Amino acid sequence: QQPVQSPQAVILREGEDAVINCSSSKALYSVHWYRQKHGEAPVFLMILLKGGEQKGHEKISASFNEKKQQSSLYLTASQLSYSGTYFCGTDTFSGSARQLTFGSGTQLTVLP
Amino acid sequence: KAGVTQTPRYLIKTRGQQVTLSCSPISGHRSVSWYQQTPGQGLQFLFEYFSETQRNKGNFPGRFSGRQFSNSRSEMNVSTLELGDSALYLCASSFDLDTEAFFGQGTRLTVV
Repeated sequence: QQPVQSPQAVILREGEDAVINCSSSKALYSVHWYRQKHGEAPVFLMILLKGGEQKGHEKISASFNEKKQQSSLYLTASQLSYSGTYFCGTDTFSGSARQLTFGSGTQLTVLP
Repeated sequence: KAGVTQTPRYLIKTRGQQVTLSCSPISGHRSVSWYQQTPGQGLQFLFEYFSETQRNKGNFPGRFSGRQFSNSRSEMNVSTLELGDSALYLCASSFDLDTEAFFGQGTRLTVV
């Protein structure tokens, strides 16, 4: 089952902050965040694992609330290059195996 | 290092035909996942292969199938194509589900 992302779209001015939320109806092993620019492949931003470990290489922060089965991505002091569609992926058990399922995306536009 | 390679990049097929898409993962990656991307639908999970075994499958009809070879290269096959199968098909490779996934550029399939 797809995670639910909110908001669906957000428009910012350069330097402003934004928060993108992701929630799941299933227990989560991990949450993944990716950004996709128009006409390009999705690019990895961050993984948040149960127990608090985080793996990422962008100057972007995120939180993972295991009990609430939610994650939030925090974009601070946004830059023009942050524009794109952000997808959260939830690693959950489906049937007999784990599965990485993505939400429908949040379109972020940063204006000068 | 070489990225994920998907071939072909573009494909036009007629309804009722079948098609095979190929994905060559990053060397050393054993997990390959396939996604269908259409406007407004985000990334829909098709299936994931790990060490030549399908570990999980999304909610797609049996016309969608795949396989993975011993060198981790993966193929996806769609039989009896329908107009609604027109989409961008992305594959992603990783060491496993808890690690960063790298996406290919995708194969854009158009069914006419």
